[in-house]
Amino acid sequence: AQSVTQLGSHVSVSEGALVLLRCNYSSSVPPYLFWYVQYPNQGLQLLLKYTSAATLVKGINGFEAEFKKSETSFHLTKPSAHMSDAAEYFCAVSRPGGSYIPTFGRGTSLIVHP
Amino acid sequence: EAGVVQSPRYKIIEKKQPVAFWCNPISGHNTLYWYLQNLGQGPELLIRYENEEAVDDSQLPKDRFSAERLKGVDSTLKIQPAELGDSAVYLCASSLGVASQETQYFGPGTRLLVL
Repeated sequence: AQSVTQLGSHVSVSEGALVLLRCNYSSSVPPYLFWYVQYPNQGLQLLLKYTSAATLVKGINGFEAEFKKSETSFHLTKPSAHMSDAAEYFCAVSRPGGSYIPTFGRGTSLIVHP
Repeated sequence: EAGVVQSPRYKIIEKKQPVAFWCNPISGHNTLYWYLQNLGQGPELLIRYENEEAVDDSQLPKDRFSAERLKGVDSTLKIQPAELGDSAVYLCASSLGVASQETQYFGPGTRLLVL
């Protein structure tokens, strides 16, 4: 079975500051990893995904994440936060082969202060 | 391209009443998912369809929940009777295929409040 742990239910940053949202995974096999964003009253939207190619993955809206096997981590970063980045962010894990549905973390709410 | 459409967006009902949610996936997407999202939690899979066939429905409470996707396109999720604990957001998603790296496209959800 696979699972993800998102450290911190809320992260608060100032506009222009670095954004770091943490995700650690547990998987018995090399995983596929995803970050999704959910804006208020909307569905989830894929930011980026890791599927065993390059370990540094670039996504939309200036976000990127690095797969670190030794740390079992897939943290999401953005160099400079914008007010529009305020949303809920979900990390998810699945496994290669077959039709394994991703398992989602509990989410981290990003708050951006002016 | 139109995204995943869900209706209604909001629903308030009294406990023991029935309720139904409708989802129209992105055109051409064979796989459709229904998720339950409780407040402060990530989505949890209820059921997945591959075309008309329901697979992966182990988390669907079959005593009160039912779902159908008769023509392999749109889908309906029903609760009868609803309980207070069913208050949540019900998300529908679709994807082209079933591979584990497929991107899922989510609808805006139906927010259910059971009084």
